[in-house]
Amino acid sequence: EAQVTQNPRYLITVTGKKLTVTCSQNMNHEYMSWYRQDPGLGLRQIYYSMNVEVTDKGDVPEGYKVSRKEKRNFPLILESPSPNQTSLYFCASGDRVYGYTFGSGTRLTVV
Amino acid sequence: GENVEQHPSTLSVQEGDSAVIKCTYSDSASNYFPWYKQELGKRPQLIIDIRSNVGEKKDQRIAVTLNKTAKHFSLHITETQPEDSAVYFCAASQADGLTFGKGTHLIIQP
Repeated sequence: EAQVTQNPRYLITVTGKKLTVTCSQNMNHEYMSWYRQDPGLGLRQIYYSMNVEVTDKGDVPEGYKVSRKEKRNFPLILESPSPNQTSLYFCASGDRVYGYTFGSGTRLTVV
Repeated sequence: GENVEQHPSTLSVQEGDSAVIKCTYSDSASNYFPWYKQELGKRPQLIIDIRSNVGEKKDQRIAVTLNKTAKHFSLHITETQPEDSAVYFCAASQADGLTFGKGTHLIIQP
């Protein structure tokens, strides 16, 4: 089954404690992206990757890092999380031919 | 970069009536326009999309229209049903992925 898998689904952490949210896709997509969703602000792009070892900033990259060492994985790293990063995060992969698929989301709370 | 505006932010319609959600985009290089439906607590799901070489596309009760000259596209839902209640997002795609509108909360009144 074609899918984008994110983990964990829920995470509560404390300010400053490094964390990683994983994202994996099994559709051999070159393009992957991370979004955060906040009430009234819609889905905003954090980082995206056009292929292995190719990453670029989206609209709200501050406080985040990503890596793309293999085609299927695109982890999101928060090296020193802060309360303003409390949000719902979605990973997506796809293209303009077949469309984009989203993961199930990760609800992050930073206290 | 691309900017996508979506209206209205909330839309309430009677069950059985039609609903229309409108979006505009700024980058004439955008050539792929998907629409996503997001139910509470779930991921956005693609419901229909249109490419810039097509003016209209229909799938049962859902249709999308695109006006490239005016840089706007719209989602039309006919004969609305309770299960259509959700948040709908439009998006415009360039080489670096999707830029989303802020969403429309569609409420179907019984």
